Amino acid sequence: GQNIDQPTEMTATEGAIVQINCTYQTSGFNGLFWYQQHAGEAPTFLSYNVLDGLEEKGRFSSFLSRSKGYSYLLLKELQMKDSASYLCAVRVVGRDDKIIFGKGTRLHILP
Amino acid sequence: ETGVTQTPRHLVMGMTNKKSLKCEQHLGHNAMYWYKQSAKKPLELMFVYSLEERVENNSVPSRFSPECPNSSHLFLHLHTLQPEDSALYLCASSQVNAGTDTQYFGPGTRLTVL
Repeated sequence: GQNIDQPTEMTATEGAIVQINCTYQTSGFNGLFWYQQHAGEAPTFLSYNVLDGLEEKGRFSSFLSRSKGYSYLLLKELQMKDSASYLCAVRVVGRDDKIIFGKGTRLHILP
Repeated sequence: ETGVTQTPRHLVMGMTNKKSLKCEQHLGHNAMYWYKQSAKKPLELMFVYSLEERVENNSVPSRFSPECPNSSHLFLHLHTLQPEDSALYLCASSQVNAGTDTQYFGPGTRLTVL
C-alpha cells in the first residue's frame, strides 16, 4: 500500500528553526511536494523535490532522500505567520498517476 | 480573478437538499481535481478530470456527481448527503505532463450537512 507519515503537531519559538519530517512507503515514487495550509484556507505550494538533496527557497528548505523514503521541510527565522499545517505529498506514477497527501503537521509558533 | 476560485465558500444543507459546488481556474491548466478534507484525516482525492475527461473516481458514493463542461470549470453536484459528508471540499488544477504537475488549490467550500 501507499503510506505517508508525518508528526501530527509541533511547537517552536519565534525566531528559531524547526524541521518537519516526512517518511513515505510508496510504489512508483516520482517526486515529493510540501504545501502550507493556514486554518480555513487552501493549501499553497511550497516546494517540490524529485532528486536527492536540499532545495533552498528563502527561509524554507526541503530535503529528499529517495533511498531512505525520507524528506524534511526546514523553516528558519520562524515568524508568527508560519503557524499553519504543513502537508507532505508524494507523486506516484504507474497504472494510476496521482498525488497522495499525508495528514499534515500542525505547527504552533510561540512568541 | 486569478488562480482557482470556488463558490460558495460556506454551505449548510439538509440531507434531502440538492446543491452544487463550483470551481473555476484561471491558470490555463488542463486538469482539475476535487478533494475532501475532513478533520484529522489526509486530503482525500475524489475525482480527477484531465482534458475534460474523468480519469479517476476514487470509489466516491454516487450522491456526489462531478461535471466538467470545459477545462476551466468544474462542478460537484450534491444530493441526499449524509452528516458524515460534512467537510472542506477543495478544488485544484494543474498542468499535466509539464514536469512537476504541481496542483494549485482553491479556497474550498466548507460544507455542513444537517
